[in-house]
Amino acid sequence: NAGVTQTPKFQVLKTGQSMTLQCAQDMNHNSMYWYRQDPGMGLRLIYYSASEGTTDKGEVPNGYNVSRLNKREFSLRLESAAPSQTSVYFCASSGLINQPQHFGDGTRLSIL
Amino acid sequence: KNQVEQSPQSLIILEGKNCTLQCNYTVSPFSNLRWYKQDTGRGPVSLTIMTFSENTKSNGRYTATLDADTKQSSLHITASQLSDSASYICVVSALSSASKIIFGSGTRLSIRP
Repeated sequence: NAGVTQTPKFQVLKTGQSMTLQCAQDMNHNSMYWYRQDPGMGLRLIYYSASEGTTDKGEVPNGYNVSRLNKREFSLRLESAAPSQTSVYFCASSGLINQPQHFGDGTRLSIL
Repeated sequence: KNQVEQSPQSLIILEGKNCTLQCNYTVSPFSNLRWYKQDTGRGPVSLTIMTFSENTKSNGRYTATLDADTKQSSLHITASQLSDSASYICVVSALSSASKIIFGSGTRLSIRP
């Protein structure tokens, strides 16, 4: 009954370091998303994948890259971390683009 | 500009009392409106989803209403419980576009015993 699983749950990086956030879903959903959540703001879309083999930019894609590895997995990569990328990152999935999204419990990322 | 605004930003009520949270939106063309509950340290969980033709939907003690003409929605919580303490997020979606799923900043609800 896992739903959407994100790893790691917490991470501290130094400016300039790189890392990949992992996300996997076991609901056979077609669409997957990466959001960031900052204090006092709504979730903002970084990238999404409408279906396996496709990825598209969202509202705030700069400084990030994504890979839809297969139908289950969608990873987010920070190539050169910056303090402005300190945030909580959520992965979500849905059957189709306009259906309710199921969220993971987030990765709390701090960039020093 | 597509926007979703929620009020109040925060709310404290006593256990057992009712409350109503508000959501105003300017997202166009409208597809659906969703309410999510987000517990501290967890991801959002869907409570209700309403399309243009629906003006009310219930999920247990949660009742959402939608007025598509005035572009307003409300979430009413009846007989609040301590477990209702959470952030409630209004999300409005434009037609078939992931980049047009707009999240409100949420209402932080605290239930006091």
